[in-house]
Amino acid sequence: QKEVEQDPGPLSVPEGAIVSLNCTYSNSAFQYFMWYRQYSRKGPELLMYTYSSGNKEDGRFTAQVDKSSKYISLFIRDSQPSDSATYLCAMKIIQGAQKLVFGQGTRLTINP
Amino acid sequence: DVKVTQSSRYLVKRTGEKVFLECVQDMDHENMFWYRQDPGLGLRLIYFSYDVKMKEKGDIPEGYSVSREKKERFSLILESASTNQTSMYLCASTEGGIYGNTIYFGEGSWLTVV
Repeated sequence: QKEVEQDPGPLSVPEGAIVSLNCTYSNSAFQYFMWYRQYSRKGPELLMYTYSSGNKEDGRFTAQVDKSSKYISLFIRDSQPSDSATYLCAMKIIQGAQKLVFGQGTRLTINP
Repeated sequence: DVKVTQSSRYLVKRTGEKVFLECVQDMDHENMFWYRQDPGLGLRLIYFSYDVKMKEKGDIPEGYSVSREKKERFSLILESASTNQTSMYLCASTEGGIYGNTIYFGEGSWLTVV
């Protein structure tokens, strides 16, 4: 079993829809959770990060962490064609090694 | 802004060739990483380095080596390239310690081994 599971999609939604992207994990020691966005033929870029359970909002994006269920989500409101990309979740244990564990990535397309 | 620069974006190499992928970061970060990214497999860590001349194996180090002679530069070496090393390679860096929680990636190097 992988430490982090993420549905690879592809996911295709109409412009303006609310998008929900999800990851589950098995290691309860993970404390730091991130979402990266990767455009085609580019490197991933950090979108959001959070340390704790609950919600964190940044503009149209909301990151949600449920440690009891070992489940994290990224919501995109009022989705735009420019949001079309692959979204990767990543997580790590704060103390100790710097290694991040990534999900497989979900490929998202927003249709105009 | 942090900049991680991978000097070669697209390379085509022959089986058995020695390949060097170079990476430079401009933020004085302690930690540097090499990943490869493949469809269906996601990002997999090859090697990382937490200081000059220090290196640690990641999840898939076989067939690769690394060199970090200067803090800003981290090189990935394929001693004898094989077709199963055709992939996108991503270099990344972070600050050291507990503050190194944001990883910054380069643009990627697309390697094709024929």
